[in-house]
Amino acid sequence: DVKVTQSSRYLVKRTGEKVFLECVQDMDHENMFWYRQDPGLGLRLIYFSYDVKMKEKGDIPEGYSVSREKKERFSLILESASTNQTSMYLCASSPPFNEQFFGPGTRLTVL
Amino acid sequence: ILNVEQSPQSLHVQEGDSTNFTCSFPSSNFYALHWYRWETAKSPEALFVMTLNGDEKKKGRISATLNTKEGYSYLYIKGSQPEDSATYLCAFLNDYKLSFGAGTTVTVRA
Repeated sequence: DVKVTQSSRYLVKRTGEKVFLECVQDMDHENMFWYRQDPGLGLRLIYFSYDVKMKEKGDIPEGYSVSREKKERFSLILESASTNQTSMYLCASSPPFNEQFFGPGTRLTVL
Repeated sequence: ILNVEQSPQSLHVQEGDSTNFTCSFPSSNFYALHWYRWETAKSPEALFVMTLNGDEKKKGRISATLNTKEGYSYLYIKGSQPEDSATYLCAFLNDYKLSFGAGTTVTVRA
């Protein structure tokens, strides 16, 4: 059974904190993605990676960075969390040009 | 940012009725269109990956059609059941990445 896991389902942080969201997939997929989902806006791509140590900016990368040191793990970093980063964060993985498999999501609240 | 639009934003369907809704996307540089179903408290799951103009795909009571020349896709649910209640997302593949529509939320009333 294919699996994408995320480190936390719910997270509460304070403004200015550094936040790490971890994503692990067990399908040996080359591509990994980080999205955020806000009401009425659908899924918006923050960053993606098509190989180890490779990263590409998505549509809304400001305020975020990523790390992919191993093929199975893709981390999203909020360098200094702000209240407008309160959102649902979804990780996904896929083979190239194929359907994406999503994790359960992390609902982050920044106070 | 590619413009992918879905309509309606939400709809309510009586159990047993059929329904359909639309995804529109850029008609140039088409590679693929994805449909995902996102049930409450679960992860989005892929329904269809469509690549050819005129494609029609089916999974149980759910089917989808694709018109790449005019840039739209329809998703159909036949004989809706309560378990069909979900948000249905379409996404346009460009390079390695998907651009998602905002989704159509379907609520099936028993």
